Amino acid sequence: NAGVMQNPRHLVRRRGQEARLRCSPMKGHSHVYWYRQLPEEGLKFMVYLQKENIIDESGMPKERFSAEFPKEGPSILRIQQVVRGDSAAYFCASSPPASPVGYEQYFGPGTRLTVT
Amino acid sequence: QKEVEQNSGPLSVPEGAIASLNCTYSDRVSQSFFWYRQYSGKSPELIMSIYSNGDKEDGRFTAQLNKASQYVSLLIRDSQPSDSATYLCAVISPRGTYKYIFGTGTRLKVLA
Repeated sequence: NAGVMQNPRHLVRRRGQEARLRCSPMKGHSHVYWYRQLPEEGLKFMVYLQKENIIDESGMPKERFSAEFPKEGPSILRIQQVVRGDSAAYFCASSPPASPVGYEQYFGPGTRLTVT
Repeated sequence: QKEVEQNSGPLSVPEGAIASLNCTYSDRVSQSFFWYRQYSGKSPELIMSIYSNGDKEDGRFTAQLNKASQYVSLLIRDSQPSDSATYLCAVISPRGTYKYIFGTGTRLKVLA
């Protein structure tokens, strides 16, 4: 049973370009979460999606960032017009449907974005 | 007050000792708690989940939950240098969308 998959693992973009990060959840998981982590810092929640629906995007910057999880295919985090401050590790996690009782999130290997 | 608080460390323990990592949370109605391990340059890896008061053991790891005092801890017995990593505590936010709230992590160093 494959785990959470992310690609690319490393991405270099020049300032002003677009970055597109992909995440395929574990088999049987319908919920996806994106986090950003700067070096030596904690995980920062960005967005929580289920198929064709954004559940919570409270952690996502209002401009330049967008996320989707289409009916078919991986979840995509898109960053338009990247700036140097976007350089970070972006992790995706997946879970079965979330419930207040409890659910476990499993992380992918991450995409390291470097903006030059 | 942060929703989930951890001492950033580093916490240094000698090889073979017990490492004790602590986490406090602010929302009394939280029910679900998790410990993740993150090696430098890698992604977080789930170690333990705990939902009920008391202890839960898995190999060398024991999670302890005290809802009355609003803390959850992780004990690592017979610590090994390979346990050196950052340990992240996470709590499911009981309000709104039930997303995870992560602490900033405690860096553990096990000295050989």
